[in-house]
Amino acid sequence: GENVEQHPSTLSVQEGDSAVIKCTYSDSASNYFPWYKQELGKGPQLIIDIRSNVGEKKDQRIAVTLNKTAKHFSLHITETQPEDSAVYFCAASGTGNQFYFGTGTSLTVIP
Amino acid sequence: NAGVMQNPRHLVRRRGQEARLRCSPMKGHSHVYWYRQLPEEGLKFMVYLQKENIIDESGMPKERFSAEFPKEGPSILRIQQVVRGDSAAYFCASSPRTLAGGTGELFFGEGSRLTVL
Repeated sequence: GENVEQHPSTLSVQEGDSAVIKCTYSDSASNYFPWYKQELGKGPQLIIDIRSNVGEKKDQRIAVTLNKTAKHFSLHITETQPEDSAVYFCAASGTGNQFYFGTGTSLTVIP
Repeated sequence: NAGVMQNPRHLVRRRGQEARLRCSPMKGHSHVYWYRQLPEEGLKFMVYLQKENIIDESGMPKERFSAEFPKEGPSILRIQQVVRGDSAAYFCASSPRTLAGGTGELFFGEGSRLTVL
């Protein structure tokens, strides 16, 4: 099955700086890559996704890039704010019946 | 349009008791998934159901755990004879279509946090 690895596990940035989280996947058949944000005590919320027919997607301060050849994708958050502090999960989906999640990155934005 | 509804949000059980977790998917969604999250860990797939059918239970422990999604009513994850290792957050997610082929999106509920004493 698919194996998704995520780095780093923890990340601290100063408010206003950028944050980058990276994921790799193993199954070349995966073609959908969502990112979820989980705040303390809450469920994961979809924040952005990308499909394998595009290389980059942006939504305001958030962007995701995908390199299918290298089998990795990244989340970029610019101009970070304290409310961006949360755990972020990447996931991959393809031929199977489930999303395969990374182990999460705990992001802390220091005011 | 209400999101995925889970209850109870918190459940405390003693070892040996039964836990029942309920999930109502988003309106119009007929695909339900259960995930388990241990403290400070990622989301682990347990089971995928459509109405009245279990499609994939490859992530579910073989004993004590069962899931259903009846024609009427919520999906239920049932854990019999709970042990301390069952303490975790259990998340339900729903989708309007199958995830196979990368065509579906998954929407999560707020989770049910089970504590086994």
